[in-house]
Amino acid sequence: QVQLVQSGAEVKKPGASVKVSCKASGYTFTSYEINWVRQATGQGLEWMGWMSPNSGQTGHIQKFQGRVTMTRDTSISTAYMELSSLTSEDTAVYYCVRGTWELLEHWGQGTLVTVSS
Amino acid sequence: DIVMTQTPLSSPVTLGQPASISCRSSQSLVHSDGNTYLSWLQQRPGQPPRLLIYKISNRLSGVPDRFSGSGAGTDFTLKISKVEAEDVGVYYCTQASQFPVTFGQGTRLEIK
Repeated sequence: QVQLVQSGAEVKKPGASVKVSCKASGYTFTSYEINWVRQATGQGLEWMGWMSPNSGQTGHIQKFQGRVTMTRDTSISTAYMELSSLTSEDTAVYYCVRGTWELLEHWGQGTLVTVSS
Repeated sequence: DIVMTQTPLSSPVTLGQPASISCRSSQSLVHSDGNTYLSWLQQRPGQPPRLLIYKISNRLSGVPDRFSGSGAGTDFTLKISKVEAEDVGVYYCTQASQFPVTFGQGTRLEIK
């Protein structure tokens, strides 16, 4: 069965960077896009961007321009999302999601990133 | 960006009774390819979201048929024919007809 297993919770100081991993199994990693969606505590969902594991092509919303990097290692079927220059407003659960934009079909369990001095 | 507005924000429902959630988009969600990329997600407490319905009315495999979606253009509805205890959670509509993907603010379904 399709599984997306994300890395564990992180605590970072303001200004630092965080890199979240998402290991895929149960399907051909390069055949489906990976999206990243975040959710601040008690808040709604925010789509951050996407990556094609096949080509490495990425796209993200303007809000994260210059701060987000989405990469992958196809040899271990793992996608990564790195967010830099963290502030308290980046405190959230970050989800990787397999699928096209219109079919956010399989969700990872989420990774809590806490930004605190 | 397309703004998705859900109503109500909270819906107390009696077990076995129907529930309905509305979602309105700030622009038409009809894509240039003719499809309407409006989906519904369910997030149970402490869980990641789960896709229930895509392209307005298509249920994902394994989703109970008490869930149904309808609508067109800018107005959409998710209906639960007979609410069960496991349906408690927050429901989100989401659009992917125009970049970027956006979500409604969520509707909390709770049992009376």
